[in-house]
Amino acid sequence: DIQMTQSPSFLSASVGDRVTLSCKASQNINKYLAWYQQKLGEAPKLLIYNANSLQTGIPSRFSGSGSGTDFTLTISSLQPEDVATYFCLQHNSWRTFGGGTKLELK
Amino acid sequence: EVKLVEYGGGLVQPGASLRLSCEASGFTFSDFYMEWIRQAPGKGLEWIAASRNKANDYSTVYSASVKDRFTISRDTYKSILYLQMNTLKPEDTAIYYCARDGDGTYYYPFAYWGQGTLVTVSS
Repeated sequence: DIQMTQSPSFLSASVGDRVTLSCKASQNINKYLAWYQQKLGEAPKLLIYNANSLQTGIPSRFSGSGSGTDFTLTISSLQPEDVATYFCLQHNSWRTFGGGTKLELK
Repeated sequence: EVKLVEYGGGLVQPGASLRLSCEASGFTFSDFYMEWIRQAPGKGLEWIAASRNKANDYSTVYSASVKDRFTISRDTYKSILYLQMNTLKPEDTAIYYCARDGDGTYYYPFAYWGQGTLVTVSS
């Protein structure tokens, strides 16, 4: 089974900061990595799929990169509404979620 | 507008069975992969089951944690996705979400989500 490891588990940042979240796969998953945002009490929302494809309607401050085993989600300028938990998902060999990164405002 | 509405959750005793439903609207139900994901209270997300689309014969896939206990199925006439859950355990306590892929393929996962339904397994 493919294991997905996200880091850090918690992140505190200020409005306007550039924020980088990491996701590592236990084996090669090619480009098949998605990112989801989950705000408190809500269902998750797809942000990025296939490592760097921006989902329709998602602000361009969100971007994804990586391939193989190492992936990154970047928020270029953090906004208050970006406070949420972010999950990565490998979709190369069915589906495995990472444990999540909780992003808070400093 | 794509809409997914789950229902059927509730409080059940260990060993009991429960069937969840996910009513879909706003799209051609047979064209898309449909899947179930769950989230234990305060925990992360866990994918548990998938139903491929009509082009792939609605074939199914399960995670190891629910295989042989849970069954995913569809009523294509009513556009409803089901999750039959048998021999429930306390560790099955979670919010259960149904989700649809983005374009009818395997490689655009969970573009749409329902609001979730809570299942609590406790004596």
